[in-house]
Amino acid sequence: EPEVTQTPSHQVTQMGQEVILRCVPISNHLYFYWYRQILGQKVEFLVSFYNNEISEKSEIFDDQFSVERPDGSNFTLKIRSTKLEDSAMYFCASSDTTVAGANVLTFGAGSRLTVL
Amino acid sequence: AQKVTQAQTEISVVEKEDVTLDCVYETRDTTYYLFWYKQPPSGELVFLIRRNSFDEQNEISGRYSWNFQKSTSSFNFTITASQVVDSAVYFCALSERRSSASKIIFGSGTRLSIRP
Repeated sequence: EPEVTQTPSHQVTQMGQEVILRCVPISNHLYFYWYRQILGQKVEFLVSFYNNEISEKSEIFDDQFSVERPDGSNFTLKIRSTKLEDSAMYFCASSDTTVAGANVLTFGAGSRLTVL
Repeated sequence: AQKVTQAQTEISVVEKEDVTLDCVYETRDTTYYLFWYKQPPSGELVFLIRRNSFDEQNEISGRYSWNFQKSTSSFNFTITASQVVDSAVYFCALSERRSSASKIIFGSGTRLSIRP
């Protein structure tokens, strides 16, 4: 069964460092998402991406965050200068649903980011 | 603005009991989509069901059933004859038809524990 692959599974970084989280969406999917989940809390939307540009973003997704699809297969989330509160599980998701709003997301296993 | 409320933070039942997880949503749109996702202890998010706002028919899939009522803005999920493997956090979610990659907003989740 096709799956969304995320790397690394766990990253520990020092506050202020840059972090790149990588995702390989399902190959025929066109819609891409990043969510985060602080331990034990709700799943929060960060950003959605389609046709090489951001489709929607949340208030969390400020100037320290960026996304990129550098090579047609990977989808990356960059955090420029990490803060303690960025510690969370980051989930990538992709969808092939073409009807706006009806996107069924297939999630990756997540990348746990720990900021010290 | 879209909002999803899952008032039940935790539910614990004995195996074979029926259990209903409540979900109440808010949206100003007439066209929207509702979802349920499951997050087992392993941490991944697994899609269970999607309904659109024009389809109020209840749905049954094995031991799972969903009751969508627009009049009360609710989309409740019932597990019949619960099993230990049903233990997970269950998230209700809502998407409005905003863009090609519309954001999906999750509720805070209900942690379901099934005791043997």
